[in-house]
Amino acid sequence: QVQLVQSGAEVKNPGASVKVSCKASGYNFASFGISWVRQAPGQGLEWMAWHSPYNGDTNYAQKLQGRVTMTTDTSTSTAYMELRSLRSDDTAVYYCARGRRHAIYWYFDLWGRGTLVTVSS
Amino acid sequence: DIQMTQSPSSLSASVGDRVTITCRASQGISNYLAWFQQKPGTAPKSLIYAASTLQSGVPSKFSGSGSGTDFTLTISSLQPEDFATYYCQQYHSYPWTFGQGTKVEIK
Repeated sequence: QVQLVQSGAEVKNPGASVKVSCKASGYNFASFGISWVRQAPGQGLEWMAWHSPYNGDTNYAQKLQGRVTMTTDTSTSTAYMELRSLRSDDTAVYYCARGRRHAIYWYFDLWGRGTLVTVSS
Repeated sequence: DIQMTQSPSSLSASVGDRVTITCRASQGISNYLAWFQQKPGTAPKSLIYAASTLQSGVPSKFSGSGSGTDFTLTISSLQPEDFATYYCQQYHSYPWTFGQGTKVEIK
C-alpha cells in the first residue's frame, strides 16, 4: 500500500527542538521528492521544505531558514524534519507530502496524516 | 514570493449545485498549479495538478482550468462529501505558496 506514515504527536517547551519522521512505503522512495507543509490551528497551509530526489537539493522557506533541517534516509525510506528554537507559533500539524514530477517541476500527490506539534510551557 | 488569492473565502451551496472557486496568482505561473481538498481533522487530499489534470481516483465532477495568473476549480454537482475547504497552490517558484482556502458549506 502506497502511504506516508508519520511519527506521533509531540509536546515541547519553548526553545526546544522537535524531529518529526515520515516513513514511505509501497513505492520507490528514491524516485519521488518529499516536502513538509504545516498548518497552525484554524489556519491555512504553509510550505516549509522540499527535497529533490534527482540532485539531492533541499529548499527551505526563507522564514524558517536557520531553524529547520530536512533530511532523508533512503535505506529506510524515511524523511525527517527537525525544527529548532521552538516558539508558541510553531504549534501546528506538520504534514509530509510526496512530490511527483511535472515537466521540470514537482507537485504533491500523496500526503501523510500529519503530526501535531504543540509548543507550550 | 508569489501570492495566491482565492475567492470567495467561503460559500454556502446546496447539494446538486455547481460551484466555482477562483484562484489568482500575483505573477504568471504557467499551469503549475494544484488544487487540494481538506476536511476537518484530516490531511489535505490532492485533487488536480497542472491546473486541469485530475489526480488518479478523483471523480470527474471536479475540473480545473486556467493558465498564467487566473485559475478555477469547478465542482459540477455538489454532493455531501464535497463540503470541505479547498486550497490552490503554485509550484512554479520557491517558496511554494498556497491560497488562503475556500470553505464550502451546506446551505
